[in-house]
Amino acid sequence: DTGVSQDPRHKITKRGQNVTFRCDPISEHNRLYWYRQTLGQGPEFLTYFQNEAQLEKSRLLSDRFSAERPKGSFSTLEIQRTEQGDSAMYLCASSFGLAGAYGELFFGEGSRLTVL
Amino acid sequence: GDSVTQMEGPVTLSEEAFLTINCTYTATGYPSLFWYVQYPGEGLQLLLKATKADDKGSNKGFEATYRKETTSFHLEKGSVQVSDSAVYFCALPKAAGNKLTFGGGTRVLVKP
Repeated sequence: DTGVSQDPRHKITKRGQNVTFRCDPISEHNRLYWYRQTLGQGPEFLTYFQNEAQLEKSRLLSDRFSAERPKGSFSTLEIQRTEQGDSAMYLCASSFGLAGAYGELFFGEGSRLTVL
Repeated sequence: GDSVTQMEGPVTLSEEAFLTINCTYTATGYPSLFWYVQYPGEGLQLLLKATKADDKGSNKGFEATYRKETTSFHLEKGSVQVSDSAVYFCALPKAAGNKLTFGGGTRVLVKP
């Protein structure tokens, strides 16, 4: 399978714990995006990388959230001191060059976070 | 700022019925427009796109025409199948093209 893969698919944690999600994009894609999707809503942009550089962060990304893409390949999204409001599906997407510039993204199946 | 508004669901149809999902947008200039689909248990995937005004995007029997005069990009399919049951999202890229703004999604359920 050469699509975008995310791990874990589902994480249940207690409030106050830290969680980390991993995304492996399609190998030749240089752009990587993180989105958050809550039940019944459309995905909301969180942050975006071009190669290893984090170029933009949404105001939704509080200081408890941090994302990295150390070698321009896989990425991690860490949430510290989780809150119940962090419960959502976290989506990763990737794209290459102009395709990404014009909105054609390839999404993973998402990582669902449940904070108890 | 740029935004997308689409009709709320759920939309419940019988097989072979006609489907329309309305989408209107607010944007600077004339961005590309997209429909993404999310089938149960799967990630979002691009269904179709239109890159300029009056373009018609089509795929899997679905069509959408980019209408700048009404700032709309309605999705249509003439005869739906049970396998079309999914959540459909209208989307547009920000002016810089780096990310997508999605509508709230419309859940479609097609019954046999």
